[in-house]
Amino acid sequence: ETGVTQSPTHLIKTRGQQVTLRCSSQSGHNTVSWYQQALGQGPQFIFQYYREEENGRGNFPPRFSGLQFPNYSSELNVNALELDDSALYLCASSLAGANYGYTFGSGTRLTVV
Amino acid sequence: GEDVEQSLFLSVREGDSSVINCTYTDSSSTYLYWYKQEPGAGLQLLTYIFSNMDMKQDQRLTVLLNKKDKHLSLRIADTQTGDSAIYFCAETHSSASKIIFGSGTRLSIRP
Repeated sequence: ETGVTQSPTHLIKTRGQQVTLRCSSQSGHNTVSWYQQALGQGPQFIFQYYREEENGRGNFPPRFSGLQFPNYSSELNVNALELDDSALYLCASSLAGANYGYTFGSGTRLTVV
Repeated sequence: GEDVEQSLFLSVREGDSSVINCTYTDSSSTYLYWYKQEPGAGLQLLTYIFSNMDMKQDQRLTVLLNKKDKHLSLRIADTQTGDSAIYFCAETHSSASKIIFGSGTRLSIRP
């Protein structure tokens, strides 16, 4: 059984650019959630995808968008990057309805300069 | 509103027990979790408890839930250097898609 894998592990972008982060779900999981973890803070919910549609969204602007693919992998896209977008972005997969079974990836560390 | 609060730091001597405390505000919480995060790593689910339970034990870990006071604690028996990490308390309810996390408690172990 493979866990959740995220790519890339680190990247540096310039303010105003766009970025795409990728996540492969754990085998057997059909739901993907994305979280932003700023330095010294707990993770904050961005959104969740189920059956390729957004299934809940946190308090993030529309420039944060996502996709889920038929194989349950997912992308997080952030447009018009701002300095405050610098954070660890975590992907978590689960089986719909199994709220005790979230598996997190190791994250992508995004630095915006 | 939804909020989860924890103390920021805890220091314990190796071999002693560690107790990390958490309070939450959402009375409709269904699942309460403890996650561990080591430096540079993602989140590892340590344990979870359903809101209709008072206690859960799993090897060195004991979770206590006081639903009346909305207080959750994690006890780690015989704390080892490998337990050094940040511990996050979190909650969700069965109909929700999101997990609400606290800011984390940094546990440090002294010899």
